[in-house]
Amino acid sequence: EVQLVESGGGLVKPGGSLRLSCAASGFTFSNAWMSWVRQAPGKGLEWVGRIKSKTDGGTTDYAAPVKGRFTISRDDSKNTLYLQMNSLKTEDTAVYYCTTLIVATIRRFFDYWGQGTLVTVSS
Amino acid sequence: QSVLTQPPSVSGAPGQRVTISCTGSSSNIGAGYDVHWYQQLPGTAPKLLIYGNSNRPSGVPDRFSGSKSGTSASLAITGLQAEDEADYYCQSYDSSLSGSKYVFGTGTKVTVL
Repeated sequence: EVQLVESGGGLVKPGGSLRLSCAASGFTFSNAWMSWVRQAPGKGLEWVGRIKSKTDGGTTDYAAPVKGRFTISRDDSKNTLYLQMNSLKTEDTAVYYCTTLIVATIRRFFDYWGQGTLVTVSS
Repeated sequence: QSVLTQPPSVSGAPGQRVTISCTGSSSNIGAGYDVHWYQQLPGTAPKLLIYGNSNRPSGVPDRFSGSKSGTSASLAITGLQAEDEADYYCQSYDSSLSGSKYVFGTGTKVTVL
């Protein structure tokens, strides 16, 4: 059974930093493309960024609102995905979901989702 | 700001059929990218409901179906049940130079009367 368990959320002041983790199990993590998706309170879903598997280059890509502030990384030896968030803004307040990402030419979707971790940016 | 437009809400009585539309543009759905649908039950994480326009993952009841045409897609729920009350989001990929690449719809709340 695929499991994605996020941790690391909490309350942080504007301008601060936070690192989220996502522990994966039930599939071959090293072969998977992974992504982060967030949801502000009462709002819709927003893609944050993704990281390819190391076999596919291990490169990252980010949504415009977080580019230059957020960094996605992975430790395949620990089956863990990370999201380093710097220079946090109040508008970054959201539940952050870790997901697997399937990419095959025209077919690109989020297969499995974690339960999410809440990040609150407030003074 | 969502790139894909959905109606804010739809409702129906148990057993009825409801449909949710998802309207995009020539840089996403109209460019040929598949549409996928997610169900978010109250207080829970989203779950993949339909992938590749019309395919159901294992375990998803066949009363859920999807279709795509031109720059739009639709999700249909036939034989509506109380447990279908949830938020539904469509998702595709956008090839425009600016903006997010993996785009979601605005979301639709389904209410079972």
